[in-house]
Amino acid sequence: GQNIDQPTEMTATEGAIVQINCTYQTSGFNGLFWYQQHAGEAPTFLSYNVLDGLEEKGRFSSFLSRSKGYSYLLLKELQMKDSASYLCAVRDSNYQLIWGAGTKLIIKP
Amino acid sequence: DGGITQSPKYLFRKEGQNVTLSCEQNLNHDAMYWYRQDPGQGLRLIYYSQIVNDFQKGDIAEGYSVSREKKESFPLTVTSAQKNPTAFYLCASSIDWQGAYNEQFFGPGTRLTVL
Repeated sequence: GQNIDQPTEMTATEGAIVQINCTYQTSGFNGLFWYQQHAGEAPTFLSYNVLDGLEEKGRFSSFLSRSKGYSYLLLKELQMKDSASYLCAVRDSNYQLIWGAGTKLIIKP
Repeated sequence: DGGITQSPKYLFRKEGQNVTLSCEQNLNHDAMYWYRQDPGQGLRLIYYSQIVNDFQKGDIAEGYSVSREKKESFPLTVTSAQKNPTAFYLCASSIDWQGAYNEQFFGPGTRLTVL
């Protein structure tokens, strides 16, 4: 079966750095997405990786290793508004998105 | 402003009743999707449509039905055959089905509660 694994919950301090990991086993690979979702709201797109390496976008960076089936999302200079769930999703060989359960990130002052 | 709208935001239904959730987009996207989100689980695909007048079952289509008569609209009907319909329903769209960097844009969601 297809599987996406992420930690259920993480806690970090305002101003610090946090890394959220995602491992996947899917039927084929056509890209990996990270989304942010605040409680009760819609997911919003953060990043997309299809080739190995690091993609940087402001305070957020995303890394991909296809050979290891592994990605991480790195959040720098954490702000209280970054408290949210972070969803990892992989597009499989049928171009369907397979979603992880999400990582709830709690930011403490 | 371009975007996706869903209505209503909250919906209550009695057991045995069918209910239709609305989803409209003005992004000129070909592909549209319906997901269900339950606590502690990833988004699960109910139905998707690659183009107008066409739609396909996702992983959990039983008890649901859709139509795609217009490019802008993709309504979802939750029928009485759906065993556990209480959930948060999300509609999404993307430029097309297979394009690279094909992010999905989401509507605000409808929270359905069956009483």
